[in-house]
Amino acid sequence: GQSLEQPSEVTAVEGAIVQINCTYQTSGFYGLSWYQQHDGGAPTFLSYNALDGLEETGRFSSFLSRSDSYGYLLLQELQMKDSASYFCAEVEGSQGNLIFGKGTKLSVKP
Amino acid sequence: DVKVTQSSRYLVKRTGEKVFLECVQDMDHENMFWYRQDPGLGLRLIYFSYDVKMKEKGDIPEGYSVSREKKERFSLILESTSTNQTSMYLCASSLSSGGTQYFGPGTRLTVL
Repeated sequence: GQSLEQPSEVTAVEGAIVQINCTYQTSGFYGLSWYQQHDGGAPTFLSYNALDGLEETGRFSSFLSRSDSYGYLLLQELQMKDSASYFCAEVEGSQGNLIFGKGTKLSVKP
Repeated sequence: DVKVTQSSRYLVKRTGEKVFLECVQDMDHENMFWYRQDPGLGLRLIYFSYDVKMKEKGDIPEGYSVSREKKERFSLILESTSTNQTSMYLCASSLSSGGTQYFGPGTRLTVL
């Protein structure tokens, strides 16, 4: 079956940079998305990579390498409010179906 | 802004009861999705729909059915609840293909 692998937990300090990696194994791959979810909240969309390379949105960047079946989310200038779970999700169908990884819990310490 | 609403934030049901979870989106999105989220398992797709009256099974459709009679509304039906259906249920919608889905606040269902 299809699966995505990402670390279960990451800890970093305020102001630092953290990279959350995601590897996937699938056919029919359309692209890779990233979502943020705070405790008790709903997932919110962060970024989407359909093509190889880096997409930058403010403090967050996302990277995709299709040849390596690999992507990452880069968070810069970490803030306490960035403490949340981050999910990579593969777009697997033309209707935009998502297959989610199990999530990475990021804890930002002062 | 896209708004996705779900009929209840919390529900408590007894085993064997029937449950309807309703989801409404206000942005004329073609695609709608139902997931369940459990600790350590991430989000798993139950069913999705890409048009009115159309439905497709996701990864874990057993024990669930869906209904999409209107474009803006997508209902998840649990015909006879069981304790292993205790979970957070999340609805989402998207405009078209691509990786952007908009999620509702979720319904935490507890089956006793």
